[in-house]
Amino acid sequence: SQQGEEDPQALSIQEGENATMNCSYKTSINNLQWYRQNSGRGLVHLILIRSNEREKHSGRLRVTLDTSKKSSSLLITASRAADTASYFCATDRTGGGADGLTFGKGTHLIIQP
Amino acid sequence: DGGITQSPKYLFRKEGQNVTLSCEQNLNHDAMYWYRQDPGQGLRLIYYSQIVNDFQKGDIAEGYSVSREKKESFPLTVTSAQKNPTAFYLCASSSAVSSGGYTFGSGTRLTVV
Repeated sequence: SQQGEEDPQALSIQEGENATMNCSYKTSINNLQWYRQNSGRGLVHLILIRSNEREKHSGRLRVTLDTSKKSSSLLITASRAADTASYFCATDRTGGGADGLTFGKGTHLIIQP
Repeated sequence: DGGITQSPKYLFRKEGQNVTLSCEQNLNHDAMYWYRQDPGQGLRLIYYSQIVNDFQKGDIAEGYSVSREKKESFPLTVTSAQKNPTAFYLCASSSAVSSGGYTFGSGTRLTVV
């Protein structure tokens, strides 16, 4: 079953603009993670936020988590052409993720030069 | 460099044949995972293994088999019982002691001809 659902499904913006993607999930979590996937490649881990954290930064990435609304957002600031990719949120099934993560269907982000 | 190696990158199979996808990691990670990705979809968990000589079914294990005889290796066999095997297969690993995310291989694209 797919726990996380990203919104929007696709997003096209101009280079230099900020991109915001949202993720909603259904059950309690220990942590939530965001991954990037370039076309035809494996996923790359971007950032992990724990259930007791509300916001986390990593370079141009900012992730928020609202456990009361069961939602998270990923903000990419000052977008670049190289940010064009699909972005997935993932939640742990149980026990922190050792028994697998559940992924959403992803947001396809296109950065127009 | 440490990482996960999946081979082959592309695989073609005739209907009724079993095929085995290779996944090797040199990250000293305890846990390994197999995911299936269909076009425009998220990842679905096939099997996972938290320790050598032990593995568990994921959400879509029917028609697949795995083994974990060595810590570094987690091969996936797609059997003839899998009704719709054409997909992109991703292997991942994670450390039980790390707070980071999963490390993914670059994937194997399986096509049934």
